[in-house]
Amino acid sequence: DAGVIQSPRHEVTEMGQEVTLRCKPISGHNSLFWYRQTMMRGLELLIYFNNNVPIDDSGMPEDRFSAKMPNASFSTLKIQPSEPRDSAVYFCASSSSSRVDGYTFGSGTRLTVV
Amino acid sequence: LAKTTQPISMDSYEGQEVNITCSHNNIATNDYITWYQQFPSQGPRFIIQGYKTKVTNEVASLFIPADRKSSTLSLPRVSLSDTAVYYCLLYNQAGTALIFGKGTTLSVSS
Repeated sequence: DAGVIQSPRHEVTEMGQEVTLRCKPISGHNSLFWYRQTMMRGLELLIYFNNNVPIDDSGMPEDRFSAKMPNASFSTLKIQPSEPRDSAVYFCASSSSSRVDGYTFGSGTRLTVV
Repeated sequence: LAKTTQPISMDSYEGQEVNITCSHNNIATNDYITWYQQFPSQGPRFIIQGYKTKVTNEVASLFIPADRKSSTLSLPRVSLSDTAVYYCLLYNQAGTALIFGKGTTLSVSS
């Protein structure tokens, strides 16, 4: 099992540009979570999906952020337009419905907006 | 979801046992206690979870008293590689997502 796969690992973009982060959850996991981590705010939940359906997006900071999960094996987090304050590490995690083994996190995408 | 409180930081030396205590006074009947570990530049990693009494795995032990208002993560004989942030969280199987606090930064030195 390759675990949760995120791409890209690093992204540097200019302010105003569109950024798309990608996540492939573990096969068989039916819940997917997007988190953002900064030194100031720690690890924040942005949105999560159960069976490809968004359940809670109250953590999405602004309308500039959007997330989709078109199928059980793929999700995207898009920022349009990006701003310097969006610079952070974005983690994707997945879990099964029983959550006996907890969440499995990906390695994260380090986003820098200049 | 009930809030948890844990020390901001702890220091230890190699070979010692480390106990990190977490308070969750308002834990609900259907809440489980779960702990995660995060190394720099990596995502959090699930360590252990429990509902009551004691749980042990190859990494750590989790002690939960009868009233469940606190829990203690025990790391036996820590090494330098155990330096990380440790998060105590509550979750229920109703489907709500994990909400991470600041965690406890454990620093192990030689």
